[in-house]
Amino acid sequence: EDKVVQSPLSLVVHEGDTVTLNCSYEVTNFRSLLWYKQEKKAPTFLFMLTSSGIEKKSGRLSSILDKKELSSILNITATQTGDSAIYLCAVRNGGSQGNLIFGKGTKLSVKP
Amino acid sequence: KAGVTQTPRYLIKTRGQQVTLSCSPISGHRSVSWYQQTPGQGLQFLFEYFSETQRNKGNFPGRFSGRQFSNSRSEMNVSTLELGDSALYLCASSLYAGNYGYTFGSGTRLTVV
Repeated sequence: EDKVVQSPLSLVVHEGDTVTLNCSYEVTNFRSLLWYKQEKKAPTFLFMLTSSGIEKKSGRLSSILDKKELSSILNITATQTGDSAIYLCAVRNGGSQGNLIFGKGTKLSVKP
Repeated sequence: KAGVTQTPRYLIKTRGQQVTLSCSPISGHRSVSWYQQTPGQGLQFLFEYFSETQRNKGNFPGRFSGRQFSNSRSEMNVSTLELGDSALYLCASSLYAGNYGYTFGSGTRLTVV
Protein backbone atom coordinates (compact mmCIF):
# COMPACT_ATOMS: atom_id res chain seq x y z
CA GLU A 1 0.00 0.00 0.00
CA ASP A 2 1.31 3.44 -0.93
CA LYS A 3 2.20 5.61 2.03
CA VAL A 4 3.80 8.90 2.97
CA VAL A 5 5.34 9.42 6.40
CA GLN A 6 6.31 12.79 7.82
CA SER A 7 8.51 13.51 10.80
CA PRO A 8 8.48 14.94 13.31
CA LEU A 9 4.74 15.13 13.94
CA SER A 10 5.22 18.39 15.82
CA LEU A 11 8.00 20.83 16.45
CA VAL A 12 8.40 23.91 18.63
CA VAL A 13 11.16 26.39 17.83
CA HIS A 14 12.00 30.03 18.51
CA GLU A 15 12.09 32.83 15.99
CA GLY A 16 15.32 32.83 14.04
CA ASP A 17 15.87 29.09 14.29
CA THR A 18 16.34 26.90 11.22
CA VAL A 19 14.10 23.85 10.91
CA THR A 20 14.13 20.76 8.72
CA LEU A 21 10.99 18.78 8.09
CA ASN A 22 11.17 15.26 6.70
CA CYS A 23 9.00 13.29 4.33
CA SER A 24 9.57 9.70 3.24
CA TYR A 25 7.43 7.73 0.82
CA GLU A 26 6.70 4.33 -0.58
CA VAL A 27 4.57 4.61 -3.70
CA THR A 28 4.22 2.80 -6.97
CA ASN A 29 5.31 4.76 -10.03
CA PHE A 30 6.40 7.96 -8.33
CA ARG A 31 5.47 11.05 -10.34
CA SER A 32 6.08 14.02 -8.06
CA LEU A 33 6.27 15.21 -4.47
CA LEU A 34 4.46 18.31 -3.29
CA TRP A 35 4.72 20.42 -0.14
CA TYR A 36 1.80 22.43 1.23
CA LYS A 37 1.40 24.82 4.16
CA GLN A 38 -1.89 24.68 6.05
CA GLU A 39 -2.55 27.51 8.49
CA LYS A 40 -6.27 27.37 9.02
CA LYS A 41 -8.17 25.46 6.40
CA ALA A 42 -6.95 25.74 2.81
CA PRO A 43 -3.53 24.18 2.24
CA THR A 44 -1.41 26.52 0.16
CA PHE A 45 1.00 25.17 -2.42
CA LEU A 46 4.71 25.57 -1.71
CA PHE A 47 6.74 23.36 -4.04
CA MET A 48 6.48 20.51 -6.49
CA LEU A 49 9.53 18.31 -6.99
CA THR A 50 9.98 15.83 -9.80
CA SER A 51 12.77 13.77 -11.28
CA SER A 52 13.65 16.74 -13.44
CA GLY A 53 13.44 19.29 -10.64
CA ILE A 54 14.83 17.90 -7.41
CA GLU A 55 15.60 21.19 -5.66
CA LYS A 56 13.40 24.24 -5.22
CA LYS A 57 13.89 27.46 -3.28
CA SER A 58 11.66 30.37 -2.47
CA GLY A 59 12.87 32.96 -0.03
CA ARG A 60 13.58 31.32 3.31
CA LEU A 61 12.05 28.01 2.23
CA SER A 62 13.81 25.33 0.25
CA SER A 63 13.19 21.70 -0.53
CA ILE A 64 15.21 18.81 -1.88
CA LEU A 65 14.05 15.49 -3.29
CA ASP A 66 16.23 12.42 -2.78
CA LYS A 67 14.89 9.77 -5.17
CA LYS A 68 17.46 7.24 -4.05
CA GLU A 69 16.40 7.52 -0.41
CA LEU A 70 12.71 8.02 -1.35
CA SER A 71 12.52 11.13 0.76
CA SER A 72 12.37 14.87 0.78
CA ILE A 73 13.21 17.63 3.23
CA LEU A 74 11.72 21.07 3.65
CA ASN A 75 14.04 23.64 5.19
CA ILE A 76 12.94 26.91 6.70
CA THR A 77 15.67 29.34 7.73
CA ALA A 78 15.32 32.32 10.08
CA THR A 79 11.86 31.17 11.15
CA GLN A 80 9.16 33.72 11.95
CA THR A 81 5.94 33.37 13.95
CA GLY A 82 4.08 33.50 10.64
CA ASP A 83 5.68 30.20 9.69
CA SER A 84 3.58 28.48 12.37
CA ALA A 85 1.40 26.01 10.49
CA ILE A 86 0.98 22.38 9.54
CA TYR A 87 3.28 21.41 6.69
CA LEU A 88 1.92 18.68 4.47
CA CYS A 89 3.86 16.45 2.14
CA ALA A 90 2.04 14.67 -0.69
CA VAL A 91 3.21 12.28 -3.36
CA ARG A 92 1.51 11.67 -6.69
CA ASN A 93 1.62 8.06 -7.78
CA GLY A 94 0.70 6.08 -10.85
CA GLY A 95 0.29 7.21 -14.40
CA SER A 96 -1.95 9.92 -15.76
CA GLN A 97 -4.67 8.86 -13.35
CA GLY A 98 -2.51 8.89 -10.27
CA ASN A 99 -3.72 10.64 -7.18
CA LEU A 100 -2.11 12.53 -4.30
CA ILE A 101 -1.24 10.62 -1.14
CA PHE A 102 -0.74 12.89 1.84
CA GLY A 103 1.33 12.43 4.96
CA LYS A 104 -0.24 13.40 8.27
CA GLY A 105 1.74 16.59 8.44
CA THR A 106 4.23 18.28 10.74
CA LYS A 107 2.83 20.91 13.07
CA LEU A 108 5.37 23.69 13.41
CA SER A 109 5.04 26.25 16.20
CA VAL A 110 7.39 29.22 16.16
CA LYS A 111 7.61 31.09 19.48
CA PRO A 112 8.60 34.76 19.62
CA LYS B 1 -8.78 35.89 -10.06
CA ALA B 2 -11.17 34.14 -7.69
CA GLY B 3 -9.88 31.10 -5.87
CA VAL B 4 -11.56 27.79 -5.28
CA THR B 5 -14.94 28.35 -3.65
CA GLN B 6 -16.61 25.76 -1.45
CA THR B 7 -20.10 25.99 -0.06
CA PRO B 8 -21.38 25.80 2.54
CA ARG B 9 -18.59 26.63 4.97
CA TYR B 10 -20.18 24.77 7.85
CA LEU B 11 -22.85 22.11 8.05
CA ILE B 12 -24.46 20.13 10.85
CA LYS B 13 -26.39 17.00 9.92
CA THR B 14 -27.99 14.10 11.74
CA ARG B 15 -26.97 10.47 11.33
CA GLY B 16 -28.75 8.84 8.44
CA GLN B 17 -29.27 12.05 6.49
CA GLN B 18 -27.54 12.87 3.26
CA VAL B 19 -25.53 15.94 2.33
CA THR B 20 -24.33 17.67 -0.83
CA LEU B 21 -21.23 19.86 -0.89
CA SER B 22 -20.31 22.19 -3.73
CA CYS B 23 -17.01 23.29 -5.22
CA SER B 24 -16.37 25.94 -7.86
CA PRO B 25 -12.84 25.69 -9.25
CA ILE B 26 -10.60 28.51 -10.38
CA SER B 27 -11.76 29.82 -13.73
CA GLY B 28 -10.19 27.75 -16.49
CA HIS B 29 -9.34 24.83 -14.24
CA ARG B 30 -10.89 21.61 -15.47
CA SER B 31 -9.78 19.16 -12.79
CA VAL B 32 -11.44 18.98 -9.39
CA SER B 33 -10.39 16.67 -6.57
CA TRP B 34 -12.03 16.04 -3.22
CA TYR B 35 -10.33 15.18 0.06
CA GLN B 36 -11.48 14.32 3.56
CA GLN B 37 -9.38 15.64 6.43
CA THR B 38 -9.69 14.29 9.98
CA PRO B 39 -7.29 14.63 12.93
CA GLY B 40 -6.62 10.90 13.01
CA GLN B 41 -6.28 10.09 9.32
CA GLY B 42 -5.04 13.34 7.87
CA LEU B 43 -5.93 14.20 4.28
CA GLN B 44 -7.41 11.32 2.33
CA PHE B 45 -8.22 11.32 -1.36
CA LEU B 46 -11.86 10.81 -2.27
CA PHE B 47 -12.04 11.26 -6.04
CA GLU B 48 -10.93 13.38 -8.97
CA TYR B 49 -12.99 14.66 -11.88
CA PHE B 50 -11.82 15.99 -15.21
CA SER B 51 -14.11 17.08 -18.03
CA GLU B 52 -17.14 15.64 -16.24
CA THR B 53 -15.54 12.19 -15.91
CA GLN B 54 -14.35 10.56 -12.72
CA ARG B 55 -10.66 9.89 -13.29
CA ASN B 56 -9.76 8.26 -10.03
CA LYS B 57 -11.36 7.17 -6.78
CA GLY B 58 -9.97 6.62 -3.31
CA ASN B 59 -10.85 3.91 -0.81
CA PHE B 60 -14.15 5.23 0.45
CA PRO B 61 -17.49 3.41 0.59
CA GLY B 62 -20.10 3.87 -2.11
CA ARG B 63 -21.99 6.31 0.14
CA PHE B 64 -19.52 8.89 -1.10
CA SER B 65 -20.17 10.03 -4.65
CA GLY B 66 -19.53 13.02 -6.80
CA ARG B 67 -20.07 14.59 -10.16
CA GLN B 68 -18.75 17.40 -12.28
CA PHE B 69 -20.75 19.70 -14.49
CA SER B 70 -19.89 21.13 -17.89
CA ASN B 71 -18.73 24.38 -16.27
CA SER B 72 -16.26 22.32 -14.15
CA ARG B 73 -18.15 22.94 -10.93
CA SER B 74 -18.31 19.82 -8.83
CA GLU B 75 -20.56 18.42 -6.15
CA MET B 76 -19.91 15.73 -3.61
CA ASN B 77 -22.68 13.73 -2.00
CA VAL B 78 -22.59 11.61 1.13
CA SER B 79 -25.62 9.46 1.84
CA THR B 80 -26.66 7.76 5.07
CA LEU B 81 -24.34 9.88 7.16
CA GLU B 82 -22.38 8.30 10.00
CA LEU B 83 -20.72 9.98 12.98
CA GLY B 84 -17.34 9.12 11.48
CA ASP B 85 -18.08 11.24 8.43
CA SER B 86 -17.53 14.36 10.54
CA ALA B 87 -14.56 16.02 8.92
CA LEU B 88 -13.25 18.92 6.89
CA TYR B 89 -13.95 18.26 3.22
CA LEU B 90 -11.51 20.00 0.93
CA CYS B 91 -11.79 20.54 -2.77
CA ALA B 92 -8.80 21.30 -4.98
CA SER B 93 -8.62 22.38 -8.59
CA SER B 94 -5.96 22.14 -11.24
CA LEU B 95 -5.69 23.10 -14.89
CA TYR B 96 -5.56 19.49 -15.96
CA ALA B 97 -5.65 16.10 -14.32
CA GLY B 98 -2.27 14.52 -13.87
CA ASN B 99 1.01 15.85 -12.58
CA TYR B 100 0.10 19.40 -11.65
CA GLY B 101 -0.04 21.41 -8.48
CA TYR B 102 -3.43 21.93 -6.91
CA THR B 103 -5.11 24.97 -5.41
CA PHE B 104 -7.30 24.16 -2.44
CA GLY B 105 -10.49 25.76 -1.25
CA SER B 106 -11.15 26.58 2.39
CA GLY B 107 -13.28 23.51 2.85
CA THR B 108 -16.64 22.57 4.29
CA ARG B 109 -16.68 21.58 7.94
CA LEU B 110 -19.26 18.80 8.29
CA THR B 111 -20.44 17.73 11.72
CA VAL B 112 -22.66 14.68 12.04
CA VAL B 113 -24.60 14.38 15.30
